Amino acid sequence: QVQLQESGPGLVKSSETLSLRCSVSAGSITDYYWSWIRQSPGRELEWIGYSYYTGTTNYNPLFKSRVTMSVDTSKNHVTLNLTSVTAADTAVYYCATTRYYYDSSGKGVLGPFDYWGQGTLVTVSS
Amino acid sequence: EIVLTQSPGTLSLSPGEVATLSCRASHSITSNYLAWYQQKPGQAPRLLVYGAFSRATGIPDRFSASGSGTDFTLTISRLEPEDFAVYFCQQYGSSPRTFGRGTRVENK
Repeated sequence: QVQLQESGPGLVKSSETLSLRCSVSAGSITDYYWSWIRQSPGRELEWIGYSYYTGTTNYNPLFKSRVTMSVDTSKNHVTLNLTSVTAADTAVYYCATTRYYYDSSGKGVLGPFDYWGQGTLVTVSS
Repeated sequence: EIVLTQSPGTLSLSPGEVATLSCRASHSITSNYLAWYQQKPGQAPRLLVYGAFSRATGIPDRFSASGSGTDFTLTISRLEPEDFAVYFCQQYGSSPRTFGRGTRVENK
């Protein structure tokens, strides 16, 4: 079973860039699409976007102008960069995997988030 | 984007009772691509159900799910002590992927 571990600074200053890494072990990084999801203190979960080792990305429009994600197959990790952060970006950030599966009608679909990291808390300070 | 509304916000039940959680979508979810997750304090969410009714690997059969279109239900048939947690629904039929705000199942 793939193992995920997020890492990065726990404190980021307002207007700066939040950079996180998700290290992957016990699995192939090329087998999955890699999502970042965050959870605010009020418990709301937000999908930020996903990336794939080919360079394919799909970002939530809420973050599109500020976010960059990438997959580094040589280092077996996934990165998230979120620019111009504010206090509203304070949250626990998770990386999670998504895979294609075939539904009951035989159609291929990019599925739900099946494996998650433990999450890392990022606080944005003024 | 599809907004998911979960109800109730909190469910107070005792072990052995049945829990029925609802998730309603603002628009019909493509091919019923709806998932349910369980989250315990200090932990990441865990996938329980995908495709509206298919249990994920290792999920006990006391968890069942149903629904289609805009209305979905997760049922826990006999609550075990470890089932007290927050449950989220999430749709992956359209982008952006969205989550409900969760239902807390608490021990009465």
